[in-house]
Amino acid sequence: DTAVSQTPKYLVTQMGNDKSIKCEQNLGHDTMYWYKQDSKKFLKIMFSYNNKELIINETVPNRFSPKSPDKAHLNLHINSLELGDSAVYFCASSQVGAGVIDTQYFGPGTRLTVL
Amino acid sequence: LAKTTQPISMDSYEGQEVNITCSHNNIATNDYITWYQQFPSQGPRFIIQGYKTKVTNEVASLFIPADRKSSTLSLPRVSLSDTAVYYCLVGSTSGTYKYIFGTGTRLKVLA
Repeated sequence: DTAVSQTPKYLVTQMGNDKSIKCEQNLGHDTMYWYKQDSKKFLKIMFSYNNKELIINETVPNRFSPKSPDKAHLNLHINSLELGDSAVYFCASSQVGAGVIDTQYFGPGTRLTVL
Repeated sequence: LAKTTQPISMDSYEGQEVNITCSHNNIATNDYITWYQQFPSQGPRFIIQGYKTKVTNEVASLFIPADRKSSTLSLPRVSLSDTAVYYCLVGSTSGTYKYIFGTGTRLKVLA
């Protein structure tokens, strides 16, 4: 059973298009995340939701919009795609409580290529 | 904003102990330190986590000095399958949520 799954695994699209990446976790966690890993392998957090509430919103273009319909799902929608959006996007989940150290479980990643 | 830096790459031979250091000079009181391992085309995977002093589990040890401005991941007797990129993460869930990954260290284990 896959703990954190993402679809699609690969996404190739043209500049200016709008696309979505879906993420689902079956671990019963209450917090989910989106990370971007660039070509130099730097991992940077983009968003985090706790119980469907946005708790982390890093400096990300507003073309990126996360949506969490329920605790088990966190989708990422990207409008007007640009070349610089090409990267691998990772979804993760964890069980977070105030002051509690959490372990994040990552999905397999979605490789987005913008042409 | 806290900066977390690591050596870009390291080589080692099978059977040796490998120590990878992460520098986090601006670590805050509530921050904890976690290390992740990433294989090509996979998501990062948890290795070990700590707040201070020494933590050991079945795969690694984590050493954190008293000032907590750095941490060292120690992998005992590495094998070829330990070839991967290793990331430290400085994070906090107290007050402001924060997760800052280090720059990553590419470890290559040679036969």
